[in-house]
Amino acid sequence: DAGVIQSPRHEVTEMGQEVTLRCKPISGHNSLFWYRQTMMRGLELLIYFNNNVPIDDSGMPEDRFSAKMPNASFSTLKIQPSEPRDSAVYFCASSWRGFGETQYFGPGTRLLVL
Amino acid sequence: GNSVTQMEGPVTLSEEAFLTINCTYTATGYPSLFWYVQYPGEGLQLLLKATKADDKGSNKGFEATYRKETTSFHLEKGSVQVSDSAVYFCALSEGGSEKLVFGKGTKLTVNP
Repeated sequence: DAGVIQSPRHEVTEMGQEVTLRCKPISGHNSLFWYRQTMMRGLELLIYFNNNVPIDDSGMPEDRFSAKMPNASFSTLKIQPSEPRDSAVYFCASSWRGFGETQYFGPGTRLLVL
Repeated sequence: GNSVTQMEGPVTLSEEAFLTINCTYTATGYPSLFWYVQYPGEGLQLLLKATKADDKGSNKGFEATYRKETTSFHLEKGSVQVSDSAVYFCALSEGGSEKLVFGKGTKLTVNP
C-alpha cells in the first residue's frame, strides 16, 4: 500500500503566482480531506470530498482557494493568486467513509510564498 | 460547537519517565475519540482511538480511555523512549460526520 501521495513535497513561489497542490488518496478510499497546518492556527480542515463530491468547504479561507476532485484517485488544491500568509504545510488525508473511521495522512506539501 | 482542549506543551521528559497528556472535549452526541502522532517532517498518523464510552484504545505502549463522565481522553505511557519524541494531537469525530476536530497539539521531547 503506497499510502496517500502528495506532490510537490516543497514549493517556493512568489506572491501573486498560482500554486497547485496534488493528492492521490489510498486506493479504495472514498473520502478525501485537505488540511492546512501553521504554527499560529494549528491544523485546519479546508475542505472534504466524499465520492468526489465536495461536502464541506466551510474552511476554505477565501475565493483565492479552490479544490477539485475529478476522479476517485486524484485531487488538487489551487491557490490563485498566492500571498505570503498562505505559507504553511498542506496535508491531504483519505478514509473509507464512516463515522469514526481513521483518516490516513500524506506527508504534506510545505509551501513558502515570498 | 464541538471542540478539543489538550494540555499545552512543550513537554520534556527523561527516558523511561511516565507520560500523561491531558485531553478534554466538548461535543453533542457521542463522538469517537482519537490520538494522532506527528513525527518531525511527516504527516499525522493514527496512534489509537476509542469509539464509545469506557473503551480503551492502546498501541505501542500508549493508552487512553474514553471517559464520558469527565469528557476526557487522556493519553498515557508508562515508560517513554527517545523515539516517542513527536507532536501528539487529540481529536474527535463529530457525531454522524466524518470531520475531525483537532486539539492544538502537544510537543513531547524525550531526552536520553
